[in-house]
Amino acid sequence: QQQVKQSPQSLIVQKGGISIINCAYENTAFDYFPWYQQFPGKGPALLIAIRPDVSEKKEGRFTISFNKSAKQFSLHIMDSQPGDSATYFCAASRSGSRLTFGEGTQLTVNP
Amino acid sequence: GAGVSQSPSNKVTEKGKDVELRCDPISGHTALYWYRQSLGQGLEFLIYFQGNSAPDKSGLPSDRFSAERTGGSVSTLTIQRTQQEDSAVYLCASSLVWTSGVNEQFFGPGTRLTVL
Repeated sequence: QQQVKQSPQSLIVQKGGISIINCAYENTAFDYFPWYQQFPGKGPALLIAIRPDVSEKKEGRFTISFNKSAKQFSLHIMDSQPGDSATYFCAASRSGSRLTFGEGTQLTVNP
Repeated sequence: GAGVSQSPSNKVTEKGKDVELRCDPISGHTALYWYRQSLGQGLEFLIYFQGNSAPDKSGLPSDRFSAERTGGSVSTLTIQRTQQEDSAVYLCASSLVWTSGVNEQFFGPGTRLTVL
């Protein structure tokens, strides 16, 4: 009930391409879904987040798509750049409590 | 400081020793969280503080782990009688009190613990 499943484990895209990372959750009580970006040796940094009453949120090149009925959400990175190469984590929480994280996706953007 | 700070950045200890890890949250953030990141285990929740109290400590893996928070600010995570499986990066995060379904947690750089 508390798990968040993330795929793919690793992703390689060319510069300018679209990166898509998917997550699925089980607990329908989750009410907050953030994505974090982590560079080696650094802590995770909040990238973008969505609530379940919204189906899509866009901030710059980053978009979250949310499908409440399917209990799935995804991160789309448009015009991917080499500087976007990092590990991405989806997460979910309920009422301001702990974050439950997906397993992470290592993104490599080739120049 | 502008962000969450943690100290030390690296800690190497011998099996059986006790260690203390410190977290300074963002000023004004009432909620504080500890997570652990290790290979093969991803990011695991350990404990959550609201003010000085810990309403959720269900993620602490054993009674060798404890944490406290004083003055609604600094938190210390203590691991007693360290074991090799405790080797990981320990991350601290803080957030404002949860309102309107927003739970923006800001993470520190972490403390890398190595138990020999």
